[in-house]
Amino acid sequence: QVQLVESGGGVVQPGRSLRLSCAASGFTFSNYGLHWVRQAPGRGLEWVALISFDGSNTYYADSVKGRFTISRDNSKTSLYVQMNSLRAEDTAVYYCARELGYYASGSSPQSYFFDYWGQGTLVTVSS
Amino acid sequence: SYVLTQPPSVSVAPGQPASFACGGNNIGRGGVHWYQQKSGQAPVLVVYGNNLRPSGIPERFSGSNSGNTATLTISRVEAGDEADYYCQVWDRSIDHVVFGGGTKLTVL
Repeated sequence: QVQLVESGGGVVQPGRSLRLSCAASGFTFSNYGLHWVRQAPGRGLEWVALISFDGSNTYYADSVKGRFTISRDNSKTSLYVQMNSLRAEDTAVYYCARELGYYASGSSPQSYFFDYWGQGTLVTVSS
Repeated sequence: SYVLTQPPSVSVAPGQPASFACGGNNIGRGGVHWYQQKSGQAPVLVVYGNNLRPSGIPERFSGSNSGNTATLTISRVEAGDEADYYCQVWDRSIDHVVFGGGTKLTVL
């Protein structure tokens, strides 16, 4: 069965760095795009970043662009996000999620969605 | 950037239908996806591609999408459906994922 297990969360001071990992199993890792999605305490879901199946393309939310770097190691079936210059507003549960394409018609996906999510890892940015 | 608008809360008695609206400019042109998130848990996909249900999701869950509003409907609400519900789209103009703010379902 598909499993996504995040790790690396914890308490970190503002301005410092943290690296999160997501270990995947139960599917052909190198065939799927992957995302990070976060949720601040008591708030809604916020998309953070995505990486294509082969790592050649990455995209970021404006709130993290220039500070976060998403990467993957297909040989280790693992997804990562390097978070630098952390701020209090980065405090959240961070989820990794597997992407699937929605094909309304034709050979190109009209949209993307998430069919599997990890359980999340909590990052707290505080002095 | 593209914005999805959801009402913050919906309250429904057991056995009654519940509807969750998701508003966005011309949202009907694209695919809308819905997630259920129970307290303390990761989100779960309940509808994708406007009106498709993943395996394991009860038939009570359905979706529609037209014009500027997408809608998730639970035909007969159960106590176990109490959760936050989020709509999501793909903004292809900038290759970003967009979530609505979420609607909290309270089962009376």
